[in-house]
Amino acid sequence: DIQVTQSPSSLSASVGDRVTITCQASQDISNSLNWYQQKPGKAPNLLIYDGSNLETGVPARFSGSGSGTDFTFTISSLQPEDIATYYCQQFDNLPLTFGGGTKVEI
Amino acid sequence: QLQLQESGPGLVKPSETLSLTCTVSGGSFTSSSYYWGWIRQPPGKGLEWIGSIYYSGSTYYNPSLKSRLTISVDTSKNQFSLKLSSVTAADTAVYYCARLPGFYPTGAFDIWGQGTMVIVSS
Repeated sequence: DIQVTQSPSSLSASVGDRVTITCQASQDISNSLNWYQQKPGKAPNLLIYDGSNLETGVPARFSGSGSGTDFTFTISSLQPEDIATYYCQQFDNLPLTFGGGTKVEI
Repeated sequence: QLQLQESGPGLVKPSETLSLTCTVSGGSFTSSSYYWGWIRQPPGKGLEWIGSIYYSGSTYYNPSLKSRLTISVDTSKNQFSLKLSSVTAADTAVYYCARLPGFYPTGAFDIWGQGTMVIVSS
């Protein structure tokens, strides 16, 4: 299985701050990585697919980059509504695997 | 607009079989452009992919669950189902169904059900 290590597990930032989350895959997965946002009591919501593509309707302050084994997710200016847990997910190989999550607080 | 809805018992006894159904409405279930999947999340923990199915019935299972898992499809009802046998407390989780666009059982889950909590307890 491909392991995906996400860091940090939690972070605290202020409104307007730039927030960065990283995911490292245990092997080269090209750009086969997605990012989701999950708010408490809700299902995950797809934000970024194929490493860097913004899902339709997702605000442009969210972005993703990287390829190979190292990936970065960025919120350019943190908003109060961005409080959530964020997950990366690799799809280069089955089984599909998720990172452990990053809880973002203000 | 496409919607997915999970249904099934919220409480299952240890050693019994957990059965859930996902009903797809507002869109095409038999499109060749989609796979359908199950994902679970234990309380306070992360996400785990359980398995995926194509409308034709082709299945893809997480090896960690494969010996206990059956995913099936009923195209006449626009539904796909999950059966997990010999459950233990470790199977307690919120279970989500989701859509997986594409021509392969990989990619991003773009539409999710609201999730259903299943507790394994006597």
